[in-house]
Amino acid sequence: GQSLEQPSEVTAVEGAIVQINCTYQTSGFYGLSWYQQHDGGAPTFLSYNALDGLEETGRFSSFLSRSDSYGYLLLQELQMKDSASYFCAVRDSSYKLIFGSGTRLLVRP
Amino acid sequence: NAGVTQTPKFRVLKTGQSMTLLCAQDMNHEYMYWYRQDPGMGLRLIHYSVGEGTTAKGEVPDGYNVSRLKKQNFLLGLESAAPSQTSVYFCASTYPTTGDLNTEAFFGQGTRLTVV
Repeated sequence: GQSLEQPSEVTAVEGAIVQINCTYQTSGFYGLSWYQQHDGGAPTFLSYNALDGLEETGRFSSFLSRSDSYGYLLLQELQMKDSASYFCAVRDSSYKLIFGSGTRLLVRP
Repeated sequence: NAGVTQTPKFRVLKTGQSMTLLCAQDMNHEYMYWYRQDPGMGLRLIHYSVGEGTTAKGEVPDGYNVSRLKKQNFLLGLESAAPSQTSVYFCASTYPTTGDLNTEAFFGQGTRLTVV
C-alpha cells in the first residue's frame, strides 16, 4: 500500500527553527510536496522537491532524500502565524496525489 | 479569477438522503481530485480524474460516485448518505505533468457536510 508518515504534533517557540519529517512508501514517485493549512481554511502549496537536496523559499526550506524515502520541511524564524497544520504529499505513477495525515505546529510566544 | 469553487459550503443531510457536491475550476486544469478530511486523518483521496470523461478510485471510494462530463467541473455524489460520511470535503485541481515537473494543487474552500 501507499503511506506517508508524519509526526502528529510539534511545538516550538517564536523565532526558533522547527523541522517536520515525512517518510513515504508509494508505487512510483514523482516528487514530494508540502502544504500548509490553517484551521478552517483550505490547504495551500508551500514547496516541492523532485530531486535530492534542499530547496529554499524564504523562511521555508524543504529537503528530499529519494534513497531513504524521506523528506522534511524546515521553518525558520518562526512566527505566530505559522501555527497551522502541515502536510506532505506524493504523486504516484497513477497520478494520484496522496497526502500524509498532517503535523499540527503550535508556535508559542 | 475564481480558481477552484465548491458548492455548497455547508450542508446537513439525513441518513439515506442523496446529494451532489460541485467543484468548478477556471484554470483549464486537467487533473481534479476529491478528498475528505476528518480530524487527525489528514486528506484522504476519494476519487480523481485525469481528464474530461475519465474518473478513477482513490483511497476511500466506497459510498461515493463521481462524474467529469466537462473539463471544468468535477461532481461528487452521495447516493445514500451515512453518518460516517460526516466530514469536510475538499476539491483540488492541477495541471497535467510528466516526469518530475511540479504540479501545485489548488484547493477549493471546502464543503462541511453533516449526516444525522
